[in-house]
Amino acid sequence: DAGVIQSPRHEVTEMGQEVTLRCKPISGHNSLFWYRQTMMRGLELLIYFNNNVPIDDSGMPEDRFSAKMPNASFSTLKIQPSEPRDSAVYFCASRNRLAGGGDTQYFGPGTRLTVL
Amino acid sequence: AQTVTQSQPEMSVQEAETVTLSCTYDTSESNYYLFWYKQPPSRQMILVIRQEAYKQQNATENRFSVNFQKAAKSFSLKISDSQLGDTAMYFCAFMRGGSEKLVFGKGTKLTVNP
Repeated sequence: DAGVIQSPRHEVTEMGQEVTLRCKPISGHNSLFWYRQTMMRGLELLIYFNNNVPIDDSGMPEDRFSAKMPNASFSTLKIQPSEPRDSAVYFCASRNRLAGGGDTQYFGPGTRLTVL
Repeated sequence: AQTVTQSQPEMSVQEAETVTLSCTYDTSESNYYLFWYKQPPSRQMILVIRQEAYKQQNATENRFSVNFQKAAKSFSLKISDSQLGDTAMYFCAFMRGGSEKLVFGKGTKLTVNP
C-alpha cells in the first residue's frame, strides 16, 4: 500500500518565484494536512482539509501561501512570491477520520524548499 | 492551548542498551491522544507508537514502549535493545479528542553508538 506521496522532494528557487508543492494522500483517507518544519519553529500545522474542504488555515503565515484540494487524491501548496524565509521542509500528512485509530496521521517524505 | 515539552534536546545510548526519552504535556482535556514520531536522517516522519488517554495500559510496539502517567501529564518513550537504525529525531505529539490538530514538541535527537 503506497504511503503519502509528495513532489518534488527538493526544490531550489529564487526569491520572487512561484513554488508549487504537491501531495497525494493515502487512498481512502479523508483528511489532509500541510506542515512546515524549521529549526527555529519546529513542526507547524499550516492548513488542513476534511473531505477536500479547507477547515482551518489559521497556520498559513500570510497571503503569499495558498492551498487547494481539487479532489480526494491531490492537494497543492503554493507560495507566490517566494521569499528566503520560506525555506523549510514541507510535509503533507493524511488520515482516515472514520477508521479505528483514525486519530493517526501518516506523513509523506517531505519537500525540502530552498529559496535563494 | 496545549503545549508539549521535550526537555532533552539530545541523548546518546550504546547499541543494545535501553534509553528513555521524556515528554510532558499541558492540557485541561480528559480525552486526548499521544504519539511518538521518529524522524531519521531521511527526513521521513514515522509513527512509532500511540496512546489513547482513556486507556490505562501502556502501549507497546516491539522494542518500543511508553510510560503514560496521566496525573503527572507525562508520556515517556522507552527503547529497549537499541539499534543503530534507531538513530533519529524523536517527536512527542498531542491531539485533543475531536480535534484535528497535532501539537508537537521540539524533539529529542537520539544517537545510538556502536
